[in-house]
Amino acid sequence: SQKIEQNSEALNIQEGKTATLTCNYTNYSPAYLQWYRQDPGRGPVFLLLIRENEKEKRKERLKVTFDTTLKQSLFHITASQPADSATYLCALPTPPSGNTGKLIFGQGTTLQVKP
Amino acid sequence: GAVVSQHPSWVICKSGTSVKIECRSLDFQATTMFWYRQFPKQSLMLMATSNEGSKATYEQGVEKDKFLINHASLTLSTLTVTSAHPEDSSFYICSASDRVFATNEKLFFGSGTQLSVL
Repeated sequence: SQKIEQNSEALNIQEGKTATLTCNYTNYSPAYLQWYRQDPGRGPVFLLLIRENEKEKRKERLKVTFDTTLKQSLFHITASQPADSATYLCALPTPPSGNTGKLIFGQGTTLQVKP
Repeated sequence: GAVVSQHPSWVICKSGTSVKIECRSLDFQATTMFWYRQFPKQSLMLMATSNEGSKATYEQGVEKDKFLINHASLTLSTLTVTSAHPEDSSFYICSASDRVFATNEKLFFGSGTQLSVL
């Protein structure tokens, strides 16, 4: 079965720096990969979706890469702000075609941006 | 964007009682809703897929008689935790897919319900 690995250790960075979070998966390559933000005690909020034929996607200060050879996605936040502090979740569809809407999630990486 | 409303946001109940959690899509119709459970510092675990007008599909290891799901309309799905026990204490989150999004790619999540069973 598919396993998703995100760095469980919190990432602490200084305001203004670029945060880079990693998502690795172990089995099949999915049709797409998604990133969500989750604040404490709240549901996840969709950020970005990148498809298997896309190498990079950007949205404002966010950038996601998808390397199907390495089975890895990187999530970057440039010019980070304290308001970016949250847990970021990587999610893959299951089955890999993504036509059911079912997602499996990584455990998330908590980002702390210090002023 | 689409809004999913989940109620209540937190509930405390005695062991043995049943708790109902509601999930509503406010500005779109959701043919499919998903129920997740999340323990502290752990990933969201999919419990079941709720389809409007039909029986829910449960993931392996999830007791369907314990977690009753009803999706009676295109805007409402409910999860009832029956005869709750302390081990059922968790953060329950629903999500919905906008039926306009034919490929079900993007999910909209409710704000979650923290259940504490004493």
